[in-house]
Amino acid sequence: SQQGEEDPQALSIQEGENATMNCSYKTSINNLQWYRQNSGRGLVHLILIRSNEREKHSGRLRVTLDTSKKSSSLLITASRAADTASYFCATDGPGNYQLIWGAGTKLIIKP
Amino acid sequence: NAGVTQTPKFQVLKTGQSMTLQCAQDMNHNSMYWYRQDPGMGLRLIYYSASEGTTDKGEVPNGYNVSRLNKREFSLRLESAAPSQTSVYFCASSDPGWETQYFGPGTRLLVL
Repeated sequence: SQQGEEDPQALSIQEGENATMNCSYKTSINNLQWYRQNSGRGLVHLILIRSNEREKHSGRLRVTLDTSKKSSSLLITASRAADTASYFCATDGPGNYQLIWGAGTKLIIKP
Repeated sequence: NAGVTQTPKFQVLKTGQSMTLQCAQDMNHNSMYWYRQDPGMGLRLIYYSASEGTTDKGEVPNGYNVSRLNKREFSLRLESAAPSQTSVYFCASSDPGWETQYFGPGTRLLVL
């Protein structure tokens, strides 16, 4: 069962523009994480935001969390070709040993 | 540090054949995971091991078995491969379980 659902499923923007993708989830959480997956590779952790945090920054990444709406957004500013990848959100699942994953947003940065 | 390593990288099996996917981590993590990823989908948890000596079923355990050989190694076995098991398999580790997970490069499996 999938907890997180990313929106949009695919996003294509020009290099230099900002990219925003969203994640919605169904049950209460302790943490929400964002990961990146380059084509054919394993996933790489980007950022973790805890349920008592509303916003977090890491370099060109900005993540917000709205627990009342059960949603999160990932903003990538000044996009680069190297940002082309799929982006997944994951929330902690039952028993605190599992992450529940969304289906991902495929981001394409056009030069 | 190599992080999380997986072998093999690619494998082609015939229906009914068996194989074991190997995973090792050198980060001294307690928790390890096996996922499968099908085209256009997110990750689905097959099995996980919260700590050495324990294993538990995830969302899609049917057709698979696992062994937590020691703290470093966690293997996934397909006893009788089926075409529905064609997928990309990822191993991951973390400590504690709900924090950042570190992934291996994946094993691409094709079952004919």
